[in-house]
Amino acid sequence: DSGVTQTPKHLITATGQRVTLRCSPRSGDLSVYWYQQSLDQGLQFLIQYYNGEERAKGNILERFSAQQFPDLHSELNLSSLELGDSALYFCASSGGTGTTEAFFGQGTRLTVV
Amino acid sequence: GQNIDQPTEMTATEGAIVQINCTYQTSGFNGLFWYQQHAGEAPTFLSYNVLDGLEEKGRFSSFLSRSKGYSYLLLKELQMKDSASYLCAVYNTNAGKSTFGDGTTLTVKP
Repeated sequence: DSGVTQTPKHLITATGQRVTLRCSPRSGDLSVYWYQQSLDQGLQFLIQYYNGEERAKGNILERFSAQQFPDLHSELNLSSLELGDSALYFCASSGGTGTTEAFFGQGTRLTVV
Repeated sequence: GQNIDQPTEMTATEGAIVQINCTYQTSGFNGLFWYQQHAGEAPTFLSYNVLDGLEEKGRFSSFLSRSKGYSYLLLKELQMKDSASYLCAVYNTNAGKSTFGDGTTLTVKP
């Protein structure tokens, strides 16, 4: 158990819909990262928050947004969903801004039908 | 930007030694991570190198050469459970984030 909790574990939704993925980082970790992993592909960095502030941004679509709340949990919002958005979405947390190892949650498997 | 290259697939025999290479091009390098990921599961941390040289941790060792932009992960006494994807990730201070390679899928055969 990495200490990072993601909910829900599975999500099936229709095209055009909006979903919210939730992540609770390890106790004390200030950084939260979101990654997308499509079938048989590598991890694609989406966005990082550090202590409530956006720290770094990857190739995140405009239809996607995220935030980190004062209690350090984070949410990733995906809207106007398309079939190609089907993927595993991982959240990770670390104590610092990136030079310490990240601990990954078990992921949310999103299926868009 | 960053460019990280790893072989896509490797196969090795149980009990043997395998070396998984990772080359990278980046500015603002500040560390290289190796993670293991079993299919459908979360990546788990294996090692972190920030200085040149070899870091040994049980059956796994990781090497870094910053001047060559090169790292390898060495797995000894391979076990069937080592069949997984191995991800190399480079932390870039300028970008403020780690970038992952696409991973090397290792298959260990009896």
